[in-house]
Amino acid sequence: NAGVTQTPKFRVLKTGQSMTLLCAQDMNHEYMYWYRQDPGMGLRLIHYSVGEGTTAKGEVPDGYNVSRLKKQNFLLGLESAAPSQTSVYFCASSDRKFGGTPAGELFFGEGSRLTVL
Amino acid sequence: AQSVTQLGSHVSVSEGALVLLRCNYSSSVPPYLFWYVQYPNQGLQLLLKYTSAATLVKGINGFEAEFKKSETSFHLTKPSAHMSDAAEYFCAVSPTDSWGKLQFGAGTQVVVTP
Repeated sequence: NAGVTQTPKFRVLKTGQSMTLLCAQDMNHEYMYWYRQDPGMGLRLIHYSVGEGTTAKGEVPDGYNVSRLKKQNFLLGLESAAPSQTSVYFCASSDRKFGGTPAGELFFGEGSRLTVL
Repeated sequence: AQSVTQLGSHVSVSEGALVLLRCNYSSSVPPYLFWYVQYPNQGLQLLLKYTSAATLVKGINGFEAEFKKSETSFHLTKPSAHMSDAAEYFCAVSPTDSWGKLQFGAGTQVVVTP
Protein backbone atom coordinates (compact mmCIF):
# COMPACT_ATOMS: atom_id res chain seq x y z
CA ASN A 1 0.00 0.00 0.00
CA ALA A 2 1.58 3.25 -1.17
CA GLY A 3 -0.73 5.61 0.79
CA VAL A 4 0.55 9.17 0.38
CA THR A 5 3.63 9.71 -1.73
CA GLN A 6 5.58 12.96 -1.94
CA THR A 7 8.18 13.92 -4.50
CA PRO A 8 10.88 15.08 -4.29
CA LYS A 9 12.05 14.15 -0.81
CA PHE A 10 14.88 16.66 -0.76
CA ARG A 11 15.52 19.86 -2.69
CA VAL A 12 17.87 22.80 -2.44
CA LEU A 13 16.84 26.04 -4.12
CA LYS A 14 18.37 29.45 -4.54
CA THR A 15 16.35 32.51 -3.55
CA GLY A 16 13.98 33.45 -6.33
CA GLN A 17 13.82 30.03 -7.96
CA SER A 18 10.54 28.20 -8.42
CA MET A 19 9.58 24.62 -7.81
CA THR A 20 6.63 22.28 -7.40
CA LEU A 21 6.10 19.58 -4.81
CA LEU A 22 3.90 16.70 -5.90
CA CYS A 23 1.63 14.71 -3.61
CA ALA A 24 -0.18 11.60 -4.74
CA GLN A 25 -2.61 9.45 -2.74
CA ASP A 26 -4.14 6.14 -3.71
CA MET A 27 -6.87 5.94 -1.03
CA ASN A 28 -9.54 7.83 -2.99
CA HIS A 29 -9.67 10.47 -0.28
CA GLU A 30 -11.62 13.64 -0.88
CA TYR A 31 -9.52 15.92 1.26
CA MET A 32 -5.88 16.77 0.82
CA TYR A 33 -3.62 19.15 2.74
CA TRP A 34 -0.20 20.72 2.64
CA TYR A 35 1.50 21.47 5.95
CA ARG A 36 4.87 22.85 6.82
CA GLN A 37 6.76 21.77 9.89
CA ASP A 38 9.21 24.06 11.64
CA PRO A 39 11.00 23.42 14.95
CA GLY A 40 8.90 24.34 17.96
CA MET A 41 5.89 25.30 15.86
CA GLY A 42 4.23 22.00 15.14
CA LEU A 43 2.51 21.66 11.80
CA ARG A 44 0.89 24.65 10.14
CA LEU A 45 -1.63 24.33 7.35
CA ILE A 46 -0.63 26.03 4.10
CA HIS A 47 -3.46 25.13 1.72
CA TYR A 48 -6.04 22.43 1.53
CA SER A 49 -8.54 20.94 -0.89
CA VAL A 50 -11.96 19.47 -0.23
CA GLY A 51 -12.24 17.85 -3.63
CA GLU A 52 -11.02 17.76 -7.20
CA GLY A 53 -10.83 21.23 -8.68
CA THR A 54 -11.09 23.02 -5.33
CA THR A 55 -8.46 24.68 -3.15
CA ALA A 56 -8.52 26.95 -0.13
CA LYS A 57 -6.09 28.88 2.03
CA GLY A 58 -4.93 27.60 5.36
CA GLU A 59 -3.07 29.29 8.16
CA VAL A 60 0.12 30.29 6.27
CA PRO A 61 -0.69 30.50 2.52
CA ASP A 62 1.48 33.44 1.47
CA GLY A 63 4.16 32.60 -1.07
CA TYR A 64 2.54 29.30 -2.06
CA ASN A 65 0.06 28.18 -4.67
CA VAL A 66 -1.70 24.86 -5.10
CA SER A 67 -3.68 22.94 -7.66
CA ARG A 68 -5.89 19.84 -7.54
CA LEU A 69 -6.61 18.96 -11.14
CA LYS A 70 -6.98 15.28 -10.35
CA LYS A 71 -8.51 13.79 -7.21
CA GLN A 72 -5.41 11.80 -6.39
CA ASN A 73 -2.88 14.62 -6.82
CA PHE A 74 -2.26 17.84 -4.92
CA LEU A 75 0.54 20.11 -6.08
CA LEU A 76 2.27 22.77 -4.00
CA GLY A 77 4.13 25.48 -5.88
CA LEU A 78 6.64 28.09 -4.83
CA GLU A 79 6.87 30.78 -7.50
CA SER A 80 9.79 32.70 -5.99
CA ALA A 81 11.42 30.84 -3.14
CA ALA A 82 12.60 32.71 -0.04
CA PRO A 83 14.85 31.54 2.81
CA SER A 84 11.81 31.74 5.14
CA GLN A 85 10.34 28.86 3.15
CA THR A 86 13.09 26.51 4.28
CA SER A 87 11.09 23.82 6.01
CA VAL A 88 9.84 20.27 5.91
CA TYR A 89 6.64 19.99 3.91
CA PHE A 90 4.07 17.31 4.56
CA CYS A 91 1.17 16.32 2.43
CA ALA A 92 -1.79 14.55 4.00
CA SER A 93 -5.15 13.22 2.95
CA SER A 94 -8.33 12.27 4.76
CA ASP A 95 -11.68 10.67 4.17
CA ARG A 96 -14.69 13.01 4.28
CA LYS A 97 -16.96 10.83 6.36
CA PHE A 98 -17.09 11.13 10.11
CA GLY A 99 -19.50 8.35 10.91
CA GLY A 100 -18.10 4.85 10.85
CA THR A 101 -14.68 5.88 9.63
CA PRO A 102 -11.78 7.55 11.41
CA ALA A 103 -13.07 11.02 12.05
CA GLY A 104 -10.55 13.54 10.87
CA GLU A 105 -7.68 11.06 10.73
CA LEU A 106 -5.00 12.32 8.41
CA PHE A 107 -2.69 10.07 6.47
CA PHE A 108 0.69 11.66 5.95
CA GLY A 109 3.44 11.36 3.42
CA GLU A 110 7.04 11.06 4.54
CA GLY A 111 7.82 14.70 3.96
CA SER A 112 9.83 16.85 1.57
CA ARG A 113 12.78 18.73 3.00
CA LEU A 114 13.31 22.04 1.23
CA THR A 115 16.27 24.35 1.76
CA VAL A 116 16.31 27.81 0.24
CA LEU A 117 19.71 29.48 0.15
CA ALA B 1 -11.72 29.03 17.43
CA GLN B 2 -9.58 26.21 18.70
CA SER B 3 -6.06 25.75 19.95
CA VAL B 4 -3.83 23.16 21.51
CA THR B 5 -1.12 23.55 24.14
CA GLN B 6 1.40 20.84 24.81
CA LEU B 7 3.28 21.29 28.08
CA GLY B 8 6.98 20.56 27.67
CA SER B 9 8.78 20.55 24.36
CA HIS B 10 11.17 17.82 25.54
CA VAL B 11 10.55 14.93 27.93
CA SER B 12 13.17 12.44 29.07
CA VAL B 13 12.06 9.14 30.57
CA SER B 14 13.88 6.05 31.69
CA GLU B 15 13.16 2.77 29.99
CA GLY B 16 10.37 1.07 31.93
CA ALA B 17 9.11 4.29 33.51
CA LEU B 18 5.76 5.99 33.01
CA VAL B 19 5.38 8.21 29.97
CA LEU B 20 3.09 11.21 30.51
CA LEU B 21 2.61 13.83 27.83
CA ARG B 22 0.29 16.73 28.58
CA CYS B 23 -2.17 18.32 26.20
CA ASN B 24 -4.74 21.02 26.90
CA TYR B 25 -7.14 22.34 24.32
CA SER B 26 -9.58 25.14 23.80
CA SER B 27 -12.49 24.83 21.45
CA SER B 28 -15.73 26.72 20.99
CA VAL B 29 -17.55 23.53 20.03
CA PRO B 30 -17.21 19.91 21.22
CA PRO B 31 -13.96 18.69 19.76
CA TYR B 32 -12.40 15.60 18.35
CA LEU B 33 -8.93 15.05 19.82
CA PHE B 34 -5.97 13.15 18.46
CA TRP B 35 -2.45 12.12 19.28
CA TYR B 36 -0.02 11.61 16.43
CA VAL B 37 3.53 10.25 16.60
CA GLN B 38 6.41 11.12 14.32
CA TYR B 39 9.46 8.89 14.19
CA PRO B 40 12.71 10.37 12.82
CA ASN B 41 12.56 11.24 9.14
CA GLN B 42 9.00 9.99 8.79
CA GLY B 43 5.54 11.46 8.47
CA LEU B 44 3.03 11.55 11.29
CA GLN B 45 0.90 8.54 12.11
CA LEU B 46 -2.17 8.30 14.29
CA LEU B 47 -1.71 6.93 17.81
CA LEU B 48 -5.26 7.33 19.04
CA LYS B 49 -8.33 9.51 18.78
CA TYR B 50 -11.26 10.69 20.88
CA THR B 51 -14.53 11.10 19.00
CA SER B 52 -17.07 11.55 21.82
CA ALA B 53 -17.44 7.89 22.70
CA ALA B 54 -15.47 6.45 25.65
CA THR B 55 -13.44 9.07 27.49
CA LEU B 56 -10.52 6.65 28.01
CA VAL B 57 -9.08 5.87 24.63
CA LYS B 58 -6.60 3.12 23.89
CA GLY B 59 -4.23 3.41 21.00
CA ILE B 60 -1.40 1.56 19.38
CA ASN B 61 1.85 0.54 21.07
CA GLY B 62 0.35 0.54 24.58
CA PHE B 63 -0.55 4.23 24.67
CA GLU B 64 -3.80 5.57 26.06
CA ALA B 65 -5.32 8.98 26.69
CA GLU B 66 -8.17 10.27 28.80
CA PHE B 67 -10.50 13.04 27.74
CA LYS B 68 -11.38 15.27 30.70
CA LYS B 69 -13.87 17.91 29.69
CA SER B 70 -13.75 19.72 33.05
CA GLU B 71 -9.99 20.15 32.70
CA THR B 72 -10.01 20.57 28.89
CA SER B 73 -7.23 18.03 28.79
CA PHE B 74 -6.29 14.98 26.74
CA HIS B 75 -3.07 13.69 28.31
CA LEU B 76 -1.22 10.76 26.77
CA THR B 77 0.22 7.98 28.93
CA LYS B 78 2.08 4.72 28.64
CA PRO B 79 2.82 2.68 31.78
CA SER B 80 6.26 1.48 30.74
CA ALA B 81 8.47 3.27 28.24
CA HIS B 82 10.36 1.34 25.60
CA MET B 83 13.36 2.53 23.65
CA SER B 84 11.24 2.43 20.50
CA ASP B 85 8.96 5.12 21.97
CA ALA B 86 11.59 7.78 21.27
CA ALA B 87 9.82 10.11 18.86
CA GLU B 88 7.96 13.40 18.65
CA TYR B 89 4.36 13.43 19.73
CA PHE B 90 1.71 15.86 18.58
CA CYS B 91 -1.68 16.56 20.09
CA ALA B 92 -4.32 17.87 17.69
CA VAL B 93 -7.90 19.12 17.91
CA SER B 94 -10.66 19.27 15.35
CA PRO B 95 -14.15 20.69 15.78
CA THR B 96 -16.83 18.06 15.33
CA ASP B 97 -18.68 20.15 12.79
CA SER B 98 -15.74 20.45 10.41
CA TRP B 99 -14.41 18.23 7.68
CA GLY B 100 -11.32 17.11 9.54
CA LYS B 101 -9.21 20.24 9.68
CA LEU B 102 -6.80 19.75 12.55
CA GLN B 103 -5.03 22.27 14.74
CA PHE B 104 -1.73 20.81 15.95
CA GLY B 105 0.20 21.49 19.10
CA ALA B 106 3.89 22.37 18.95
CA GLY B 107 4.96 18.82 19.74
CA THR B 108 6.82 17.04 22.54
CA GLN B 109 10.08 15.28 21.85
CA VAL B 110 10.43 12.11 23.93
CA VAL B 111 13.86 10.73 24.75
CA VAL B 112 14.10 7.30 26.37
CA THR B 113 17.22 6.54 28.38
CA PRO B 114 18.43 3.02 29.27
